[in-house]
Amino acid sequence: GAVVSQHPSWVICKSGTSVKIECRSLDFQATTMFWYRQFPKQSLMLMATSNEGSKATYEQGVEKDKFLINHASLTLSTLTVTSAHPEDSSFYICSASPGQGQQFFGPGTRLTVL
Amino acid sequence: DAKTTQPPSMDCAEGRAANLPCNHSTISGNEYVYWYRQIHSQGPQYIIHGLKNNETNEMASLIITEDRKSSTLILPHATLRDTAVYYCIAPTGANNLFFGTGTRLTVIP
Repeated sequence: GAVVSQHPSWVICKSGTSVKIECRSLDFQATTMFWYRQFPKQSLMLMATSNEGSKATYEQGVEKDKFLINHASLTLSTLTVTSAHPEDSSFYICSASPGQGQQFFGPGTRLTVL
Repeated sequence: DAKTTQPPSMDCAEGRAANLPCNHSTISGNEYVYWYRQIHSQGPQYIIHGLKNNETNEMASLIITEDRKSSTLILPHATLRDTAVYYCIAPTGANNLFFGTGTRLTVIP
């Protein structure tokens, strides 16, 4: 149980294009989902927290107009990187929480912007 | 999150117990201690969590000191697949997990 999937697992795109990443909780309902990114040899950094049906809360320094988050249902959240640039290349990881404290992580999406 | 301190790296021989320490001297009474690990190029994996009592599951044991200022994650029989970065986290309230630098555990054949 407690499986979280992400799609795609990797994506390469041209600079200036937008990329959508999906995060799904497969066997539980997630009231809260989180988006992280991880640059090489660094730890995970929280980007935003989203609750189903409401606007996401972004961490300081994360542009909400560049990283669009939609949490339309209790099992699906999407992150859209708009007008991606090479500096946005990173490992994007989502997690889903069924309740207090515990989070289950997706396998991550590696984004490379050329 | 309460600040946690972990050694940057540890080695462990395959088949032996791996004991990973964590200091969380500023932890408050209602903050749990969570352990996650991240194998290279994968998402973090939940291992175990606890509040006051020692905990054990199919993956590991968690020993928390009586004053709750430190804890130890124990992998009883380490395998090569346990090589990963292990994170000790004490989140507050809102489920936000702060991933510090963790401990890079290398299991040696």
